[in-house]
Amino acid sequence: GDSVTQMEGPVTLSEEAFLTINCTYTATGYPSLFWYVQYPGEGLQLLLKATKADDKGSNKGFEATYRKETTSFHLEKGSVQVSDSAVYFCALRGGGSYIPTFGRGTSLIVHP
Amino acid sequence: DAGVTQSPTHLIKTRGQQVTLRCSPKSGHDTVSWYQQALGQGPQFIFQYYEEEERQRGNFPDRFSGHQFPNYSSELNVNALLLGDSALYLCASSLVGVKETQYFGPGTRLLVL
Repeated sequence: GDSVTQMEGPVTLSEEAFLTINCTYTATGYPSLFWYVQYPGEGLQLLLKATKADDKGSNKGFEATYRKETTSFHLEKGSVQVSDSAVYFCALRGGGSYIPTFGRGTSLIVHP
Repeated sequence: DAGVTQSPTHLIKTRGQQVTLRCSPKSGHDTVSWYQQALGQGPQFIFQYYEEEERQRGNFPDRFSGHQFPNYSSELNVNALLLGDSALYLCASSLVGVKETQYFGPGTRLLVL
């Protein structure tokens, strides 16, 4: 079945550092790929998405490129802020499904 | 415009008891999905309701059941609680046919002792 693998956290960075959170997936067909963010005490929010190979999703300075050849969708940000501290989830949704499959999440801690 | 709301925010139960969690979808949404998020894990899909019927179901036992009301709000019921049912239960709403617009509520934290 479909699955998503994320790098384990926590990822601890200083403010203005470069961020990469790795995500790889296994799926049949051509899934859509997503990154969600969960701030403390809140539900998940969709951060960005990509629906086909080589698409780049971007939002709030975060970017991720759909790489079919490496089955990856790594999340990047050039300069993180303390307010980016949260748990980030990579997810996929198979072509015919409305239901996403989530990774285990990666906690990001940004220090001033 | 209110987003997805869930109640209660926290709940403590003992093994064997039954629990009901509630969700009101975002205005304009007609589909409700429920997820279980264990500590340190990603959300796992439980089931989805549309037009007051269960449309899809994940790999959860029959102890987990639900209901959707005519106003699109929904309940999740869990019978014969086990310690392993302790988790954050998330509700997400969407509009049928529009795959991308799934909005999550803040969740209900259930602790089973």
